[in-house]
Amino acid sequence: DAGVIQSPRHEVTEMGQEVTLRCKPISGHNSLFWYRQTMMRGLELLIYFNNNVPIDDSGMPEDRFSAKMPNASFSTLKIQPSEPRDSAVYFCASRAEDNEQFFGPGTRLTVL
Amino acid sequence: AQSVTQLGSHVSVSEGALVLLRCNYSSSVPPYLFWYVQYPNQGLQLLLKYTTGATLVKGINGFEAEFKKSETSFHLTKPSAHMSDAAEYFCAVMRAGTASKLTFGTGTRLQVTL
Repeated sequence: DAGVIQSPRHEVTEMGQEVTLRCKPISGHNSLFWYRQTMMRGLELLIYFNNNVPIDDSGMPEDRFSAKMPNASFSTLKIQPSEPRDSAVYFCASRAEDNEQFFGPGTRLTVL
Repeated sequence: AQSVTQLGSHVSVSEGALVLLRCNYSSSVPPYLFWYVQYPNQGLQLLLKYTTGATLVKGINGFEAEFKKSETSFHLTKPSAHMSDAAEYFCAVMRAGTASKLTFGTGTRLQVTL
């Protein structure tokens, strides 16, 4: 299995631009999580889905952030418009019934 | 609600010395507990987990942790540190149930010196 796949691995953009991060969970996993990691705030859960349905989005910073999971094999996290304070590493993770989460390699986002 | 406290944001040990990373949790129901490791510029990788059964759990790379309900602790240990163990370690807690989320601690950065 290829594991959780995230793209792009690195993204550099200018303030005000739209950013879309993508995640392909492990096949058969029914839960998907989006995290953000920064030096200042550590690892934060932004949103998670169970069977493609958003369960808890209380960690989404503000309306500029949105996430979708149109099917069991794909999810996106969108930031529009992006701001320099959004610079972070964004991780996607997926989980099967045995409760172990598998993390992707992350997308390093830099907003100039 | 669940929460996790990791004592010590940085721990330094000599190569060959005992590694002890502390984790205390708070949970209103029996928890599932996890330790993850993050190497530089990588995602988090599961070291070990406790769900039910034996309270001493063994993980990868020689690490183990013991669930102590009376102390609400799940400390991570390794008898002999190796240079390759230098990384950041995260303790996490979760309420049982497939729709539950992990609550992570703030992490402990382990440095291993010669």
